[in-house]
Amino acid sequence: EAGVTQFPSHSVIEKGQTVTLRCDPISGHDNLYWYRRVMGKEIKFLLHFVKESKQDESGMPNNRFLAERTGGTYSTLKVQPAELEDSGVYFCASSQDLGGMQKLFFGSGTQLSVL
Amino acid sequence: TQLLEQSPQFLSIQEGENLTVYCNSSSVFSSLQWYRQEPGEGPVLLVTVVTGGEVKKLKRLTFQFGDARKDSSLHITAAQTGDTGLYLCAGGKETGTASKLTFGTGTRLQVTL
Repeated sequence: EAGVTQFPSHSVIEKGQTVTLRCDPISGHDNLYWYRRVMGKEIKFLLHFVKESKQDESGMPNNRFLAERTGGTYSTLKVQPAELEDSGVYFCASSQDLGGMQKLFFGSGTQLSVL
Repeated sequence: TQLLEQSPQFLSIQEGENLTVYCNSSSVFSSLQWYRQEPGEGPVLLVTVVTGGEVKKLKRLTFQFGDARKDSSLHITAAQTGDTGLYLCAGGKETGTASKLTFGTGTRLQVTL
């Protein structure tokens, strides 16, 4: 069974440009999360989808970030316009909704560099 | 802001040695997870503890959740080179779920021959 896949693995863009990150969760996982680690900091929560609905987007840093999960399958995270401080590793994770403690499966991440 | 402080930040030991990594917070968590991350990969879940005082063993790894559910420790017995990696603790606040995790600052472990 395929794990959580993220694309691209690396992205280098200039300040002011737009970048879209994609995450394909494990098939059948209703829960999809975005996390990120910026340089020197701990991994931080961005948002949580349950199917196509945003359950919790309290970690989104500002309105330059837009996450979507149309159809409740894959998700995209768009940064527009990108700023220098957006550089970091963006992780996607998914889990089944088992009604109890959830096991998160993480993708390998997208390394974003804003120059 | 909840913060999970891990200590030590870096640890370099020889194969066969024992080690303990600590994860401390001033906040109470409903659950605590430990992950290991290798370069170029995402974190991989090792264990989840949910009850204060709980101890779980996974081969040579022993995980403990503090009685007050504010801290946790990971003890590795007879470390092997394959244990090398970044160890992360992560706390969940919502009872019964681990949907929004607060990650620790991380402990980078290197085990050499």
